[in-house]
Amino acid sequence: GDSVTQMEGPVTLSEEAFLTINCTYTATGYPSLFWYVQYPGEGLQLLLKATKADDKGSNKGFEATYRKETTSFHLEKGSVQVSDSAVYFCALSVRGSARQLTFGSGTQLTVLP
Amino acid sequence: DAGVTQSPTHLIKTRGQQVTLRCSPKSGHDTVSWYQQALGQGPQFIFQYYEEEERQRGNFPDRFSGHQFPNYSSELNVNALLLGDSALYLCASKLQGDSGNTIYFGEGSWLTVV
Repeated sequence: GDSVTQMEGPVTLSEEAFLTINCTYTATGYPSLFWYVQYPGEGLQLLLKATKADDKGSNKGFEATYRKETTSFHLEKGSVQVSDSAVYFCALSVRGSARQLTFGSGTQLTVLP
Repeated sequence: DAGVTQSPTHLIKTRGQQVTLRCSPKSGHDTVSWYQQALGQGPQFIFQYYEEEERQRGNFPDRFSGHQFPNYSSELNVNALLLGDSALYLCASKLQGDSGNTIYFGEGSWLTVV
């Protein structure tokens, strides 16, 4: 079945550090890929997405590139801020699956001032 | 423009009881899905409703059931609660046929089973 594997957390960085959160996937079809963010006490918010190979999703300084050859969708940000502290989830959905999302287990990011 | 709204925000139930959680989708959306998020885990798909029918179901027992109303709002019912049902229950909505895959989530209902 479909699955998403995320880099184990938690991750602690200093403000302005470079962030990478690894994500790899297994899918029976041709998936769309997503990063969601969950701030403390809140629901999930879509951060960015990519729907085909070599697409780059970007938002709020975060980027991720859909790499079909390595089945990966790593999240990066050049300079993190304290306000980026949250849990980040990688997810996929496959056409024909009613667009249900399959999530990874999440990566807790803490950014220290 | 109201987003996805869920109620109640928090609730505590006793093992063996039944619970009903409610969701109003984002304005203009007609498809509602429910997810269970256990502490420290990613959300797990429970089921999806469209046109008042269950369209797809994840790997959850029949104790989990749902309903969608003509105004597209939805309920999640869980019978014979177990301690392991304690989790954050998330509702998500989308517009059927939206090829952009834009799915919006509510803030969730925290269920504690004691």
